[in-house]
Amino acid sequence: QQQVKQSPQSLIVQKGGIPIINCAYENTAFDYFPWYQQFPGKGPALLIAIRPDVSEKKEGRFTISFNKSAKQFSLHIMDSQPGDSATYFCAASMVYTGNQFYFGTGTSLTVIP
Amino acid sequence: DGGITQSPKYLFRKEGQNVTLSCEQNLNHDAMYWYRQDPGQGLRLIYYSQIVNDFQKGDIAEGYSVSREKKESFPLTVTSAQKNPTAFYLCASSKGGRVRSYNEQFFGPGTRLTVL
Repeated sequence: QQQVKQSPQSLIVQKGGIPIINCAYENTAFDYFPWYQQFPGKGPALLIAIRPDVSEKKEGRFTISFNKSAKQFSLHIMDSQPGDSATYFCAASMVYTGNQFYFGTGTSLTVIP
Repeated sequence: DGGITQSPKYLFRKEGQNVTLSCEQNLNHDAMYWYRQDPGQGLRLIYYSQIVNDFQKGDIAEGYSVSREKKESFPLTVTSAQKNPTAFYLCASSKGGRVRSYNEQFFGPGTRLTVL
């Protein structure tokens, strides 16, 4: 059973566009929601993370929007660049489970020059 | 230069052989994790360890074994009982341990295992 559902599976945008990746969860005990970026053949790296006490967090061109009532959160990439082409994973965890992360299935993003 | 190292980067084994993947971290983290990554399935947790000499099964532990004899090392053995072992294996660590806190997981570069 997938604890975190992620969509779309793949996404192609033009340079400068704003790709949006969505994630949904069921377990209301989740209290930490990170996004990871992974380039081919590499391990994932933390991009940005949010806790449920805020509805939005921005770091540079990356923004997380969080809707607690809908149990959804999304990643927006402003002014996307070809260098942003990568696979993006959302995740969720709860502090009570010793930091066990539940990952979405990933979104492959391609930014066309 | 702190980080997580996994070796080797590529590994080939014959079907029926056990193989051990190495994971070492010098971040002084208490918690370590093993994930398996397959196309379209994201990262699935195999085993995790919050402290030395203690580890728990993740969602897909069957056919795998681990040990945690040292804080900095968390090797994963893929046994012959694992029916479909060909995959990309990722090791991660976090400050974690038994302290309740929000901790980023840091990932190693991965090992791609191919069973022939």
